[in-house]
Amino acid sequence: DGGITQSPKYLFRKEGQNVTLSCEQNLNHDAMYWYRQDPGQGLRLIYYSQIVNDFQKGDIAEGYSVSREKKESFPLTVTSAQKNPTAFYLCASGRYADTQYFGPGTRLTVL
Amino acid sequence: QQQVKQSPQSLIVQKGGISIINCAYENTAFDYFPWYQQFPGKGPALLIAIRPDVSEKKEGRFTISFNKSAKQFSLHIMDSQPGDSATYFCAASLRGNQFYFGTGTSLTVIP
Repeated sequence: DGGITQSPKYLFRKEGQNVTLSCEQNLNHDAMYWYRQDPGQGLRLIYYSQIVNDFQKGDIAEGYSVSREKKESFPLTVTSAQKNPTAFYLCASGRYADTQYFGPGTRLTVL
Repeated sequence: QQQVKQSPQSLIVQKGGISIINCAYENTAFDYFPWYQQFPGKGPALLIAIRPDVSEKKEGRFTISFNKSAKQFSLHIMDSQPGDSATYFCAASLRGNQFYFGTGTSLTVIP
């Protein structure tokens, strides 16, 4: 897990509710990423950011939003527009043209 | 379109045997190929990685074999141990901007 922390470890969401997942890193990495993991589908990229105040949509950005106001932080908001949000969410960070390091993950369940 | 295809989906190996997981990619511009190991409920951890200018990289019991012309790479785990039982993901990236992951291989090493 290195210097990447995610909170909470478990999160429960009611229908129509927005929830925010926290991701913090102290590795001085410029790039940060959010992935969603579902059984049998590997990791799918939601959003990524290579620099503060800039971020790009990944393959499955619909229903999600992010911000990158500080280099160390990249929170992910799962909005009510995301119809099937139950999944394991992974945050990662890395240097340019180098590998990614993952946090411990947040498991989100819709009640 | 799946940028990286991984096989097999699951693998059972006897203790002391060799585990082999294969990946194939489409984009010849990919320049970095990491392998990750993931235990249940945890984030993926970097295991070993290779760049396309070499055909093989070995770290302890783990070896990556890379075939640039065939656009394939594989992970070999020598002397497999029960503690190696985990899910393994291959990935490919282009200058570290985005990482494309395989769908994962669930490895079980039986005593």
